[in-house]
Amino acid sequence: DTGVSQNPRHKITKRGQNVTFRCDPISEHNRLYWYRQTLGQGPEFLTYFQNEAQLEKSRLLSDRFSAERPKGSFSTLEIQRTEQGDSAMYLCASSTRGDSYNEQFFGPGTRLTVL
Amino acid sequence: GQNIDQPTEMTATEGAIVQINCTYQTSGFNGLFWYQQHAGEAPTFLSYNVLDGLEEKGRFSSFLSRSKGYSYLLLKELQMKDSASYLCALKQAAGNKLTFGGGTRVLVKP
Repeated sequence: DTGVSQNPRHKITKRGQNVTFRCDPISEHNRLYWYRQTLGQGPEFLTYFQNEAQLEKSRLLSDRFSAERPKGSFSTLEIQRTEQGDSAMYLCASSTRGDSYNEQFFGPGTRLTVL
Repeated sequence: GQNIDQPTEMTATEGAIVQINCTYQTSGFNGLFWYQQHAGEAPTFLSYNVLDGLEEKGRFSSFLSRSKGYSYLLLKELQMKDSASYLCALKQAAGNKLTFGGGTRVLVKP
């Protein structure tokens, strides 16, 4: 499978714990995005990288959230001191660089449940 | 800021046609995407409009009118497998990020 992969697919944690998710984009894609999606809503943008540079962060991304893409390939999203409101599907997407049509390919997501 | 509106839910019969509308207010965008998302799965690309007019891809067509702040996705010859959520998304003028509407859940009945 040469699509976007995410691990783990599901994560259940207790409030206050830290969690880390991983995203492996399509290999030739240099842009990588993180979105969060709650039930019955569309995805909300969190942050994006071009190669290893984090170019934009949403105001949704509080100080407890941090994302990295150290070598411009895979990315990690860490949530510290999780809260029940963090429960959501975390989606990763990747695309090629370009100013016109370049669709984002989404991974299957990591579903986080905070108890 | 941006505001994107879609109906929450629509029901249609197998073999019929359904039109999903998307209206938006924004200061600027590069283009408009439609994605399909089955329950518990990732969104998958359906169509992209950058210029006004109709884009046709098999059973699916998408229309954009920038002056009216309006788009629609037309699904023809509905099949049971088309039961899914359909997401309208604006691609930002800078940075490439997508801003999504809340999605329209389409239920296809026999």
